[in-house]
Amino acid sequence: EPEVTQTPSHQVTQMGQEVILRCVPISNHLYFYWYRQILGQKVEFLVSFYNNEISEKSEIFDDQFSVERPDGSNFTLKIRSTKLEDSAMYFCASTDRGDEKLFFGSGTQLSVL
Amino acid sequence: KNQVEQSPQSLIILEGKNCTLQCNYTVSPFSNLRWYKQDTGRGPVSLTIMTFSENTKSNGRYTATLDADTKQSSLHITASQLSDSASYICVVSAYSGYSTLTFGKGTMLLVSP
Repeated sequence: EPEVTQTPSHQVTQMGQEVILRCVPISNHLYFYWYRQILGQKVEFLVSFYNNEISEKSEIFDDQFSVERPDGSNFTLKIRSTKLEDSAMYFCASTDRGDEKLFFGSGTQLSVL
Repeated sequence: KNQVEQSPQSLIILEGKNCTLQCNYTVSPFSNLRWYKQDTGRGPVSLTIMTFSENTKSNGRYTATLDADTKQSSLHITASQLSDSASYICVVSAYSGYSTLTFGKGTMLLVSP
């Protein structure tokens, strides 16, 4: 079964450093998402992306965050200057139609020290 | 504000027993309700999706119900297995030109031998 792939599975970084989280969505999907989950808390929406542009973003997704689809397969989340509170599990998700079943990747655990 | 509340927060049952998880929501305008299973350290995996007109949907040993009038849903697990140990997340979609998902905090289920 096709799946969403995320790399790396774990990322440790120093506060203030830039990180890039990478995702390869399912190949025929058109809608892409980033979510995060702080330990012990619920999953939170960050951003949705369709047709090479951001379609919706949450309050969490401030100027420190950006997304990009640099080629036909990768979808990246960049955090320019990480803060301690950015420590979380970050999930990429994709679907072939908006508001349809989402397929989630296994996540990248980001630890900011 | 859109909200999804789940109960119980956690649950321990013996292998082979049945259980029912609850979800109450205040989401508008309602589009659909989803149940996800999330294994520890993994991304959520879709179990069921129900629209306004559906009041029950099954996926193997999982049966979800939806009462759109009372804004309640349940997930019933039959003949539980050790592999059912996971967090079960209720997610409600609102649609007003674009889809917005509201996640519950999940019910942590532990199936004990």
